[in-house]
Amino acid sequence: SQKIEQNSEALNIQEGKTATLTCNYTNYSPAYLQWYRQDPGRGPVFLLLIRENEKEKRKERLKVTFDTTLKQSLFHITASQPADSATYLCAPSSGGSYIPTFGRGTSLIVHP
Amino acid sequence: NAGVTQTPKFQVLKTGQSMTLQCAQDMNHNSMYWYRQDPGMGLRLIYYSASEGTTDKGEVPNGYNVSRLNKREFSLRLESAAPSQTSVYFCASIFRDSSYNEQFFGPGTRLTVL
Repeated sequence: SQKIEQNSEALNIQEGKTATLTCNYTNYSPAYLQWYRQDPGRGPVFLLLIRENEKEKRKERLKVTFDTTLKQSLFHITASQPADSATYLCAPSSGGSYIPTFGRGTSLIVHP
Repeated sequence: NAGVTQTPKFQVLKTGQSMTLQCAQDMNHNSMYWYRQDPGMGLRLIYYSASEGTTDKGEVPNGYNVSRLNKREFSLRLESAAPSQTSVYFCASIFRDSSYNEQFFGPGTRLTVL
């Protein structure tokens, strides 16, 4: 069965450093992968999408990589700020279904 | 635009009671989804509606029914609530074939079944 793994332990980093979150998947060949941010008590909010034929995608301080050989996506936040503290969810999806499967998310805590 | 709205925000039920969670979107999206989120379990798909007039089961459909009332509204019904259905429920919508296929989520309904 399809399996998506994100670090269950919270990632604690100092303000200004780069945060790197990992998403691994097995038994799956997604056409694209999305990353969402979720704040406590709120619904997830879309951040970025990367397609299977793309190696890297950037948006402001965010960078996502997608390695279909390793079956892994990395999500980077550069120059992190306390306001970046949240849970980040990865969501791979096959092309035609429009049904992403969500990982459990990794909590990021940025300390001032 | 209000985006995706959900009602109610909070609800407490007794075992065996029924209720309907309402969801509406004003973005002219064609697909709508219901998820539940439990601690340590992530988001799990209950039902989805790819387009008006169609509904399909997701990963955890047992104990739930849905109705796609029109293009805007997608409701989730618990016919006989059980404590295992205590969860946070999120509705989401998507405009298929958009550049990013991003899901827009509502604020959630926090349901407790006693």
